Amino acid sequence: QLQLQESGPGLVKPSETLSFSCTVSGGSISSSTYHWGWIRQPPGKGLEWIGSINYSGRTYYNPSLKSRVTISVDTSKNQFSLNLSSVTAADTAVYYCARKYYYDSSGYYPHYSDQWGQGTLVTVSS
Amino acid sequence: QSVLTQPPSVSAAPGQKVTISCSGSSSNIGNNYVSWYQQLPGTAPKLLIYENNKRPSGIPDRFSGSKSGTSATLGITGLQTGDEADYFCGTWDSSLSGDVFGTGTKVTVL
Repeated sequence: QLQLQESGPGLVKPSETLSFSCTVSGGSISSSTYHWGWIRQPPGKGLEWIGSINYSGRTYYNPSLKSRVTISVDTSKNQFSLNLSSVTAADTAVYYCARKYYYDSSGYYPHYSDQWGQGTLVTVSS
Repeated sequence: QSVLTQPPSVSAAPGQKVTISCSGSSSNIGNNYVSWYQQLPGTAPKLLIYENNKRPSGIPDRFSGSKSGTSATLGITGLQTGDEADYFCGTWDSSLSGDVFGTGTKVTVL
């Protein structure tokens, strides 16, 4: 059974960089079928897609966050990471990592996230 | 900020049916598959429906999905107290080259 586990700080100071990693167990991150993504949810609000990456390092970012986001992958550790720079209170949210079924070998793009990490609350405060 | 619009809340008595709409555009729902997620209080979202109308293993057939044009609908029949949760639609937006989610709908069982 595939599992994703986020790890990162619960508190980050304004203007600093938020850094998270997501370790994948029970399966390989090196598959062309899947992308590996980050989604966040401010307290009491909806889901916001941050970005995603494939095993070869191709990235997709939310245009509204693109200037501050870097997502990377380390296939040797079966892990992918998120860096969000210059954080403000508006970046306070629960951060989730997720596996996304991106491409089906039949030749179509399903685009759904079938496995999620448990989520970690990050508070931006001095 | 969400490009997909859902009603904020729906409610019904136990055993009844509810439907949740998800409205988008040709760049997202109109040309891509829709998925639905259930988020129970304090937990991570869980995949409920994928590829417009398919259910993952373990999801009861009380849950159904459909898509028409630039809108999608989630249906829940035989409503149970355990169905009280937030529900989100999601899809790919070809113009944004990224995933988009709906605004979310809270289901209340009266």
